[in-house]
Amino acid sequence: AQTVTQSQPEMSVQEAETVTLSCTYDTSESDYYLFWYKQPPSRQMILVIRQEAYKQQNATENRFSVNFQKAAKSFSLKISDSQLGDAAMYFCAYRRGETDKLIFGTGTRLQVFP
Amino acid sequence: DTGVSQNPRHKITKRGQNVTFRCDPISEHNRLYWYRQTLGQGPEFLTYFQNEAQLEKSRLLSDRFSAERPKGSFSTLEIQRTEQGDSAMYLCASSSLGGAAPYEQYFGPGTRLTVT
Repeated sequence: AQTVTQSQPEMSVQEAETVTLSCTYDTSESDYYLFWYKQPPSRQMILVIRQEAYKQQNATENRFSVNFQKAAKSFSLKISDSQLGDAAMYFCAYRRGETDKLIFGTGTRLQVFP
Repeated sequence: DTGVSQNPRHKITKRGQNVTFRCDPISEHNRLYWYRQTLGQGPEFLTYFQNEAQLEKSRLLSDRFSAERPKGSFSTLEIQRTEQGDSAMYLCASSSLGGAAPYEQYFGPGTRLTVT
């Protein structure tokens, strides 16, 4: 069975600094996708970034980038130039193939200090 | 495009009562997913539909839970004889099999259930 592990329950960062959130996963599949979702307090989950396993290049979306280490089954999220609005729960998620369900980690609560 | 909507947003019920939640997916999204999120945890998959067909159910979905998507549009999730352990946020997500962002799941705001 596939599993997703986030070992950092909480992280904090100063505004304008950089922070990295960790995620590891376990799968025997070759076709899969990895995601980072953001869930602000009392607001709905939104997709931050996605990575296709078959792509070697790390995905980037503006201030958000990932470090995808396929052999190590590691998928970390780097947030550069952190902003107060980045404060939220961040969930790492795995999906087998294109249409399967998402499997989530337990989340990392990110606090951003001015 | 109005996004995924869920109603009600909050529900408080007494143990033993039945509750029903509704999810309206993004228009023309073929797939609809239900997840449950308890405090301090990530969402856990419950079930999903492709159009009106329920294709997979998690072992988490006990006999007291039933989900429908009768016309391949909105979906309902019913919990019978609620228990305190059912208290959670119930999330709905939808995705399309084509278009600009195929297969991406878009989440609704959730229904928070409290069983007293």
